[in-house]
Amino acid sequence: QLQLQESGPGLVKPSETLSLTCTVSGGSISSSSYYWGWIRQPPGKGLEWIGSIYYSGSTYYNPSLKSRVTISVDTSKNQFSLKLSSVTAADTAVYYCARHRLGCSGGSCWFDPWGQGTLVTVSS
Amino acid sequence: EIVMTQSPATLSVSPGERATLSCRASQSVSSNLAWYQQKPGQAPRLLIYGASTRATGIPARFSGSGSGTEFTLTISSLQSEDFAVYYCQQYNNWPLTFGQGTKLEIK
Repeated sequence: QLQLQESGPGLVKPSETLSLTCTVSGGSISSSSYYWGWIRQPPGKGLEWIGSIYYSGSTYYNPSLKSRVTISVDTSKNQFSLKLSSVTAADTAVYYCARHRLGCSGGSCWFDPWGQGTLVTVSS
Repeated sequence: EIVMTQSPATLSVSPGERATLSCRASQSVSSNLAWYQQKPGQAPRLLIYGASTRATGIPARFSGSGSGTEFTLTISSLQSEDFAVYYCQQYNNWPLTFGQGTKLEIK
């Protein structure tokens, strides 16, 4: 059964870079059938897709965050990572990683499964 | 960007009754729509994809319908474990977008 687990610092200072890693177990991140994505959820609010990556390194980013986001993949470690630069308090959120399939008519499909999420607080 | 709008924001229903949640897209997403359930402190769980196909292990009391811009999630005979927040998500276009959620609470 595929599982995803987020890891990284729970506290980041304003203007610094948030860095998280998602470790995939029970399956290969190098599968040609899937993208690997990051989604975040500010406390008490809804879900926002941040971006996704294919095992080859191809990326899709949310235009609202694109200037600050970098997503990378390390197939040797079965991991993918998120970097969000110049963070502010508005970036405080639970960050989830999730898998989504290729091949739906829009190019990608639904998210399943999800990691348990990790809370990142931006504060000095 | 496709904007997803869910209604109502909060829905109060008694256990055993039916709940109907709505999701509207700002432009057609065909049938490229998913529904998720989220309970406090948990990650979202996939319920429905392709607008109407139940995900693995999802009880038959959950059903989805619609296409284009109007979608509905129906939960027949609500169980105690169904009270949660529900989100719709379109995957017809990048960027992928979610609705703001409907909180289903016990009446």
